[in-house]
Parts: sequence; structure tokens; C-alpha cells
Amino acid sequence: NAGVMQNPRHLVRRRGQEARLRCSPMKGHSHVYWYRQLPEEGLKFMVYLQKENIIDESGMPKERFSAEFPKEGPSILRIQQVVRGDSAAYFCASSPPAGGVYEQYFGPGTRLTVT
Amino acid sequence: RKEVEQDPGPFNVPEGATVAFNCTYSNSASQSFFWYRQDCRKEPKLLMSVYSSGNEDGRFTAQLNRASQYISLLIRDSKLSDSATYLCVVNSNSGYALNFGKGTSLLVTP
Repeated sequence: NAGVMQNPRHLVRRRGQEARLRCSPMKGHSHVYWYRQLPEEGLKFMVYLQKENIIDESGMPKERFSAEFPKEGPSILRIQQVVRGDSAAYFCASSPPAGGVYEQYFGPGTRLTVT
Repeated sequence: RKEVEQDPGPFNVPEGATVAFNCTYSNSASQSFFWYRQDCRKEPKLLMSVYSSGNEDGRFTAQLNRASQYISLLIRDSKLSDSATYLCVVNSNSGYALNFGKGTSLLVTP
């Protein structure tokens, strides 16, 4: 039973480029959460999605960041025109429909480096 | 004030020692509390949930004091493999998002 999968595991982008981070939830999980961990900081909630719906994006920066979870395929976190301050580890978690805070399983993360 | 605060450490202890970590949270309405473990550059993994009555899992004991908004984790008989960062986690007002502390670093030495 594969866990939460994220790719790429490491991503290097130059300032101004776009970054696309992908997350495939665990089998049977239809809820996806994205968190960001800046260097020397705790994880911060960014967005909560269900299939084809953004439920809560209150933790997302207002500009340049977007997320989707289409009917088919992985959830994608997209960062446009990346800046150095976007360098961080981005973790995705998934849960079954009734899981909420009690059953969030984290993927291995994508480490984004902006040069 | 940060929503979840922890002493960052590091805590350096010898094998076999007992070590305790503390955490405070700011939202008195919080209902769910957890300790996660994060190894270097890896994803956080749930260590244990924390209940009002306190709970134990092997060498690990967690306590919650709602009046003081304080959570603790006690590790007995430390092993080298316990070396990691321990994250105090509390649910957000939304009920589904998790609020993480910065973590407390533990290094267990031979």
C-alpha cells in the first residue's frame, strides 16, 4: 500500500521561473493538504483540497501561488515567478474523507531551491 | 504570540536517560493535540495523540493541561534512534488544518 507520493523530491528553479509540485494521495484518500516549511520554521498550512474543490486556501500567499486537485491525477501546487523566499520544503498530506486532523499522512516533501 | 511554542533545544542526552519536552499553545478552543517526529529532511510522522487523561505508548508518555494550555512529552530510556526533532501540533480553528511548533531537537549520544 503506497503512501503519499510527491514529486519531484528536489526542484531547483531560477528566480522568475515557475515551479510545479505534485502530490498523489494514498489510495482511498480524497482529501489533500499542502504545508510549507521554511528553513528553521515549523510547518505552515497552505491549502486544503478535495477532488475538484478548494475547501480552504487561507494559508496560501495571495499572489503567485495556486493549487488544484483534478478529478483524475495528482494534486498540483503551482508557484509562478518564484523568488528566493519561496525556497522551502513543501509537504503534502492526505486523509480519508472523515480523517481530518487525526489521519493526515505526509508525503516525503519537495525541496524547492530558488537560485 | 505564536500559536504553538516549543523550546528549540537542542537537548543532548546520553542513552538510557529520561528527557521531557514542553509545549504551550495559544488557542484555548483547541481540541486535538499531537506529538510528531521529524527526522532530518524527512516528513513529519505521527508519534502519538495527546489526550486530557494523559496517555502512554511504550517509552513515551504525553500529558495535556488544558487550564495552562500546556502539552508535554516524556521519553524514558532514550535510544540512539530517538534522535530527531519533536513537533508539538495542535488543530487550528478550522478543525482540519494542523498548527505545528518549530520543534525541539533531541540528540541521544552513546
